[in-house]
Amino acid sequence: ETGVTQTPRHLVMGMTNKKSLKCEQHLGHNAMYWYKQSAKKPLELMFVYSLEERVENNSVPSRFSPECPNSSHLFLHLHTLQPEDSALYLCASSQAIGAHNYEQYFGPGTRLTVT
Amino acid sequence: LAKTTQPISMDSYEGQEVNITCSHNNIATNDYITWYQQFPSQGPRFIIQGYKTKVTNEVASLFIPADRKSSTLSLPRVSLSDTAVYYCLVVPQAQAAGNKLTFGGGTRVLVKP
Repeated sequence: ETGVTQTPRHLVMGMTNKKSLKCEQHLGHNAMYWYKQSAKKPLELMFVYSLEERVENNSVPSRFSPECPNSSHLFLHLHTLQPEDSALYLCASSQAIGAHNYEQYFGPGTRLTVT
Repeated sequence: LAKTTQPISMDSYEGQEVNITCSHNNIATNDYITWYQQFPSQGPRFIIQGYKTKVTNEVASLFIPADRKSSTLSLPRVSLSDTAVYYCLVVPQAQAAGNKLTFGGGTRVLVKP
């Protein structure tokens, strides 16, 4: 596997379910990100991790819980979601955070539908 | 963060050159201009980045005038597979800003046969 992979690619869940999205990067990067892309809205940055430490949380509701056990893996735990949370969830990685690290590598995304 | 404005959509034909202009009037001295491409149901892909004048790579060229208040992404001889959404971003280079990529609405480019 190369680049950034995400599983599952598609997920349908009820509002009372608990599920997790997984992201893995095979690029040796130190920073990882979660983005949300809703229909007809720009990508929204949700979380930023650097060396497994969360450095950014963009006012994301607590029903979204990220976890970064090591620099290669990133999870997004989901519980009691709302239908408006249906979106494409994208994971990305970059070599590091900070100056000149503008190039992020995105995974294919998980298409989430909340029923 | 500098706000960017770009056309919502553009149509073109195979073999033509496509130029997408983005305005970023309040760009800061240390900000860089970055462009990403996104195909349907995929994550964005970095295309090109520049600070001033002209940058060219195997995919595109980026033209930035001296005042840096706008930039133009040029895609030479497009093909059907270049149909995508193209995002212009202004990226702060301060360490404290981390890597906050702020995506706008992008420009939807449709390449026709």
